[in-house]
Amino acid sequence: GAVVSQHPSWVICKSGTSVKIECRSLDFQATTMFWYRQFPKQSLMLMATSNEGSKATYEQGVEKDKFLINHASLTLSTLTVTSAHPEDSSFYICSASEGAGGASEQYFGPGTRLTVT
Amino acid sequence: AQSVTQLGSHVSVSEGALVLLRCNYSSSVPPYLFWYVQYPNQGLQLLLKYTTGATLVKGINGFEAEFKKSETSFHLTKPSAHMSDAAEYFCAPPMDSNYQLIWGAGTKLIIKP
Repeated sequence: GAVVSQHPSWVICKSGTSVKIECRSLDFQATTMFWYRQFPKQSLMLMATSNEGSKATYEQGVEKDKFLINHASLTLSTLTVTSAHPEDSSFYICSASEGAGGASEQYFGPGTRLTVT
Repeated sequence: AQSVTQLGSHVSVSEGALVLLRCNYSSSVPPYLFWYVQYPNQGLQLLLKYTTGATLVKGINGFEAEFKKSETSFHLTKPSAHMSDAAEYFCAPPMDSNYQLIWGAGTKLIIKP
């Protein structure tokens, strides 16, 4: 099956610094990539959708200047959390889809746990 | 707006018992429906999906779900629970023309020995 990797799997950073999370589709070309955030004991929250070569589409309430998404190629998308604060501590999950239609399955990365101290 | 309702944030069943996780959606035409599972300390993976054709869909690990348009439901079942089924399950139909998924709140399945 299709594999999506995320790096790093966990990261601790100091308040005010920036951290970059990579999401890669290893054996397929990802037309669309999604970034989710998951708080403890809560459901996934879609943050943004990105298509290769285009600007990401952010969900309402998500600060685009704080969460920078770059989908530079069909196999790589990055999420940069800028000027991180403790409230940004969360579990970030990316997913990738080969197509843009509704029947296209999303393949999920293992997630990245971010802790901001 | 389209939405998903998963009844019960926690469902507890005994090992060997029937598993039933409920999902109802609000939509007049839901072309695609998904169930995802997240095992402890792991990423999400697709359990099963309904697109077209047979309304009873079989997925991995013995799970299946039946699409019932008249009831706007897509409940997930497994005849006999196993300890390894303990996980969080998410129901997700499509949201809009962009086909972004709306997530249910998730149901944590607890298996009692």
